[in-house]
Amino acid sequence: EPEVTQTPSHQVTQMGQEVILRCVPISNHLYFYWYRQILGQKVEFLVSFYNNEISEKSEIFDDQFSVERPDGSNFTLKIRSTKLEDSAMYFCASSEWGGGPYEQYFGPGTRLTVT
Amino acid sequence: QKEVEQNSGPLSVPEGAIASLNCTYSDRVSQSFFWYRQYSGKSPELIMSIYSNGDKEDGRFTAQLNKASQYVSLLIRDSQPSDSATYLCAVDTNTGNQFYFGTGTSLTVIP
Repeated sequence: EPEVTQTPSHQVTQMGQEVILRCVPISNHLYFYWYRQILGQKVEFLVSFYNNEISEKSEIFDDQFSVERPDGSNFTLKIRSTKLEDSAMYFCASSEWGGGPYEQYFGPGTRLTVT
Repeated sequence: QKEVEQNSGPLSVPEGAIASLNCTYSDRVSQSFFWYRQYSGKSPELIMSIYSNGDKEDGRFTAQLNKASQYVSLLIRDSQPSDSATYLCAVDTNTGNQFYFGTGTSLTVIP
């Protein structure tokens, strides 16, 4: 069964450093998403991406964040200058379509630890 | 601010019993509703989606939606210890491009 994959599973970085989290969405899916979950808190939407551009973004997704689809399979989230409060699980998700009742499938996540 | 509310639990049920999980949402324009299961340290796993008022059954799971009351629920019949997890309610926005999640209900099924 097709699934969303993410690398790395765990990333440790120092405050102020840049990190890139990688995702391979399900192959026939067209909409991609990043969510985060701070330990013990709810899953929060960051950004959605379609047709090589951001479709929607939340207040969390400020100028330190960016997303990119560098090739036909990968979808990346870059955090330019990490802060302690960026420590969280980051989940990539994809859906066959968007703007309607389309199910989002989540990857296993990347645990980001900022020290 | 769009809100999705769930009882945090913990909810404990004996093996074989019915577990009932509830969710309310604030945004009347929401059209799509999803239940995810999340084991500790893992990612959300889609269990059910429901879009129309009424019941939708899939195996041991039944989702119920009442848009007038802005209420969605999940029933798990014949609960198994492997069902022990946190259950997340997710609601779409009017654009359908992002989900709002509740904080989840922790379910423990006691053997």
